[in-house]
Amino acid sequence: KNEVEQSPQNLTAQEGEFITINCSYSVGISALHWLQQHPGGGIVSLFMLSSGKKKHGRLIATINIQEKHSSLHITASHPRDSAVYICAVRFGNEKLTFGTGTRLTIIP
Amino acid sequence: DSGVTQTPKHLITATGQRVTLRCSPRSGDLSVYWYQQSLDQGLQFLIQYYNGEERAKGNILERFSAQQFPDLHSELNLRSLELGDSALYFCASSVGTSGGETQYFGPGTRLLVL
Repeated sequence: KNEVEQSPQNLTAQEGEFITINCSYSVGISALHWLQQHPGGGIVSLFMLSSGKKKHGRLIATINIQEKHSSLHITASHPRDSAVYICAVRFGNEKLTFGTGTRLTIIP
Repeated sequence: DSGVTQTPKHLITATGQRVTLRCSPRSGDLSVYWYQQSLDQGLQFLIQYYNGEERAKGNILERFSAQQFPDLHSELNLRSLELGDSALYFCASSVGTSGGETQYFGPGTRLLVL
């Protein structure tokens, strides 16, 4: 069964802290997406990865194909980073399968 | 603003009714995806259309159907609604269909079935 697991489920941190959110999957994938869902419900695509590392501003996403694991890092976290972060993977040519999300709260 | 529009934003209806959700993709995007997000199931893929043709099917109930029109907008039709159909319905669009492309999400339609 193709599965996606995220950890932690909930994360609370102080403003300025370095944040790491993890995503593990069960079998080989063709692509992995990181999404951000704002408190109002809107979803923004942050990264699409198939290998290596990508950086955008204070956000960094990495993927280790051999270990079937990806991480999303946020440097110098800010209260506006508070959101649910969702990992989604594509197994081969199949549909996207979503993790259950990590609810991040950054306290000023 | 992702460039993907969805209407209506909110919809309240009764069990047994039918509703139509509408999605307009970003200019130039040929693929439209429909997703359902409920409190107990999280985000689930329903169906994908590419340039008017059904491309992939996920966990879409038989009571649900979709289509993509020649102008590339898409509609998701939900009939014989049940309480459990209450959810956020998102559409997303992308240029192609490889699955390795960024998907741009619309703001969602919040459906409440009473």
